[in-house]
Amino acid sequence: ELKVEQNPLFLSMQEGKNYTIYCNYSTTSDRLYWYRQDPGKSLESLFVLLSNGAVKQEGRLMASLDTKARLSTLHITAAVHDLSATYFCAVANNAGNMLTFGGGTRLMVKP
Amino acid sequence: EPEVTQTPSHQVTQMGQEVILRCVPISNHLYFYWYRQILGQKVEFLVSFYNNEISEKSEIFDDQFSVERPDGSNFTLKIRSTKLEDSAMYFCASNGGIGLHEQYFGPGTRLTVT
Repeated sequence: ELKVEQNPLFLSMQEGKNYTIYCNYSTTSDRLYWYRQDPGKSLESLFVLLSNGAVKQEGRLMASLDTKARLSTLHITAAVHDLSATYFCAVANNAGNMLTFGGGTRLMVKP
Repeated sequence: EPEVTQTPSHQVTQMGQEVILRCVPISNHLYFYWYRQILGQKVEFLVSFYNNEISEKSEIFDDQFSVERPDGSNFTLKIRSTKLEDSAMYFCASNGGIGLHEQYFGPGTRLTVT
């Protein structure tokens, strides 16, 4: 059974600071997703990582994937208040027809 | 920009009643999914659907649940006899097919079972 663990579960940070969210998973997969969820809202796709060593960046967020270590990171650079949300990683099974989500990281960026 | 839509946005039902949650996936997509999220918890996979049949389902998706694509546009999730623990946000998602990996999520239906 695929297990996905994120840490930290909760992150409070000051604007302008950098931080990294970690996503570990238990079995082989080469497809990993990062989503953002605002309170009461749906899931917004941020990144799709499809191969070992994949790195994608959008604004102040950068995601990477190490399939050998079964680890993905979401790095936040110079955080701003608008980044406050819950961030989920999700890993696809080998057939690609099921996503297993991590527990989420609730990020609060204080002005 | 095409998007997944879901109706209703909020459904309140009594325990033991049947509910049908409706989704309209993005029109040229081939794979359809249901997920649920109990308040404050992580998102859990329920079922995936392709070529008019279930391709994968989780342990949560027991005999009380069923899915259907009754026409060319709708994708439904039926819960036959709701329980209190079925209260959650239910998300529909779709994606385009082989090589098109991104799953697009709908806005969700909040189901409250009383």
